[in-house]
Amino acid sequence: DAKTTQPNSMESNEEEPVHLPCNHSTISGTDYIHWYRQLPSQGPEYVIHGLTSNVNNRMASLAIAEDRKSSTLILHRATLRDAAVYYCILSSLGSQGNLIFGKGTKLSVKP
Amino acid sequence: DTAVSQTPKYLVTQMGNDKSIKCEQNLGHDTMYWYKQDSKKFLKIMFSYNNKELIINETVPNRFSPKSPDKAHLNLHINSLELGDSAVYFCASSQKPRSGYTFGSGTRLTVV
Repeated sequence: DAKTTQPNSMESNEEEPVHLPCNHSTISGTDYIHWYRQLPSQGPEYVIHGLTSNVNNRMASLAIAEDRKSSTLILHRATLRDAAVYYCILSSLGSQGNLIFGKGTKLSVKP
Repeated sequence: DTAVSQTPKYLVTQMGNDKSIKCEQNLGHDTMYWYKQDSKKFLKIMFSYNNKELIINETVPNRFSPKSPDKAHLNLHINSLELGDSAVYFCASSQKPRSGYTFGSGTRLTVV
């Protein structure tokens, strides 16, 4: 069901920026791009979402390619608390907007 | 105040029993959801409920039934529990279907 492709895992060093990629080549014009993360033994947590323009919030930045077929979640300075599984999800009209989770990217942060 | 709260946090029960998991949100959101996360960590949507409209994932057995007494609550009832129902169940809410979701902390159900 998931229409996004992410690397299974990534590693980062503490206090360095992290760029988490996501491919969504079949995205339609009305699909929103959502990012969530799930820390160990916790529920998923909303990170950011966008449609066409790049978005910034206190947690992260979302860079969306001009053709919208890919996006990148940017954590500006990784901390140990950022170690989690990050999910890139398309929210489609066809699924009534329901979020369909894929496998995500497991991010490890080294001190 | 917890935005989306689920009870109980842990539930251990025998096969064949009927159980309920409660969910409440104090965010004033219009849409609520139930997700199931199995042992392989896949998160699958079970139901969404918006303005008395229930959308069911067709793969969910009819032993599972959501009940919403009001906009702030969406409880999950499970009849005749089976071993395969063991999982973590997450409740979530959103202002509207395609806005950001807020998830609860989960209920770990173990069927023995």
